[in-house]
Amino acid sequence: NAGVTQTPKFQVLKTGQSMTLQCAQDMNHEYMSWYRQDPGMGLRLIHYSVGAGITDQGEVPNGYNVSRSTTEDFPLRLLSAAPSQTSVYFCASSYGQVLGTQYFGPGTRLTVL
Amino acid sequence: AQTVTQSQPEMSVQEAETVTLSCTYDTSESDYYLFWYKQPPSRQMILVIRQEAYKQQNATENRFSVNFQKAAKSFSLKISDSQLGDAAMYFCALKGPSGTYKYIFGTGTRLKVLA
Repeated sequence: NAGVTQTPKFQVLKTGQSMTLQCAQDMNHEYMSWYRQDPGMGLRLIHYSVGAGITDQGEVPNGYNVSRSTTEDFPLRLLSAAPSQTSVYFCASSYGQVLGTQYFGPGTRLTVL
Repeated sequence: AQTVTQSQPEMSVQEAETVTLSCTYDTSESDYYLFWYKQPPSRQMILVIRQEAYKQQNATENRFSVNFQKAAKSFSLKISDSQLGDAAMYFCALKGPSGTYKYIFGTGTRLKVLA
C-alpha cells in the first residue's frame, strides 16, 4: 500500500493563480480531509468528505473547493490564490468513524507571492 | 464547541530521561477519541497513541503512555527513556463520537532531546 499520497510536494504561485492539490489513498478509506498547518496554530480543517459524492466544510473553507468523485481521490482546489493561503497542506484519511485513526499524507508546502 | 489546548510550546528532555507533555480539552460529548501525533522534521504526521474515552485504562505503546483524566479533561503523554529520534512536534487531537468525523488539533509542543 502507498497509503496517502499528495502531489506536488512544493509549489509556488502568484496571487490570483489557481491550482489543484492532489490527494489519493489506496486503503479504501471512507473519510478524507484537508488541513492547513500554520506556525503556532496547529492543524485546521479546511474541508472533509465522508464518502464519494459527499463533502462538507471545516473550520477554514473560504477560498478552497473540493469534490469527491471516487473513494480514492480528494483534490483541493485553490480558486484564486492569496498570500494568506501560504501554508503547509495535509491530506488525511481514515477507515471509519469507529476506528477513528487518521493517516496523513506527506504534505504540500505552498507559497503564494 | 470542542477545543484542545497544549500550553507548552516547547519542552526539553535529557536523553534517557522521562518527559510529560500536557493536553487539556473540552467537549460536551461523553463518547470521543483522543490522539497524540508526532511530526518530525520530515513533516510526516505519525500516530503515536490513541485513547477511547469509554476505556478507563490508560493506553500504552512501548515507551509512550498517556495519563487520561476524563473528569479533568486532561490527556498527557509520557515518553520514557527519551531518544534523540523522539525530537519532534507533538500534537494532541480530539475526535467526537462514532458517526462524527471532525478532528480538532492543539497547537503543538516542540520536544527537544538533549544528548
